[in-house]
Amino acid sequence: DAGITQSPRHKVTETGTPVTLRCHQTENHRYMYWYRQDPGHGLRLIHYSYGVKDTDKGEVSDGYSVSRSKTEDFLLTLESATSSQTSVYFCAIRTGGNDGELFFGEGSRLTVL
Amino acid sequence: QKEVEQNSGPLSVPEGAIASLNCTYSDRGSQSFFWYRQYSGKSPELIMFIYSNGDKEDGRFTAQLNKASQYVSLLIRDSQPSDSATYLCAVSGAGSYQLTFGKGTKLSVIP
Repeated sequence: DAGITQSPRHKVTETGTPVTLRCHQTENHRYMYWYRQDPGHGLRLIHYSYGVKDTDKGEVSDGYSVSRSKTEDFLLTLESATSSQTSVYFCAIRTGGNDGELFFGEGSRLTVL
Repeated sequence: QKEVEQNSGPLSVPEGAIASLNCTYSDRGSQSFFWYRQYSGKSPELIMFIYSNGDKEDGRFTAQLNKASQYVSLLIRDSQPSDSATYLCAVSGAGSYQLTFGKGTKLSVIP
């Protein structure tokens, strides 16, 4: 089984503070993704990576940046958190030969006050 | 903008019945279609994928695809209370790294 660890799993922060979420995988999969999930909106792609230092924007990338300096780690940063970024964030890795074969981490619940 | 539409439900079926979950998509260039199951408070997990028109069966699950109608469905036979979850339809285009998800249909199987 693919191993993904997200940290922190829960975080409460204040508006305007920086926040970094970490996704760590143990199996050297090339493709990694960050999604957010909100009631009424479903899962929406924020950013994805197709290799070390290779990243691209998704559907809702404004206010977020990512970095991937090692194959196993994909970081999502909110430079200045806003209340609209309160959400559950899921990291995923592509485990199969197709873009839709994703394995998700357990999620990180972020609350911005 | 690519859209994937699902009835939000809840869809309630009695135990042992067939649950039918439906999904439509807007992009005619979509190539691959996926069904994920998400239990409350948990992460989504892939249960089925289908690429060609027709039916694909895996145990109690059958995925059906009709590209002409831009329609994909998931049938769950002999529904069990453990099938109670939200089912997410997802679609990707040719050569696309992006998977577009529907908002999900909540299924409740009544014992």
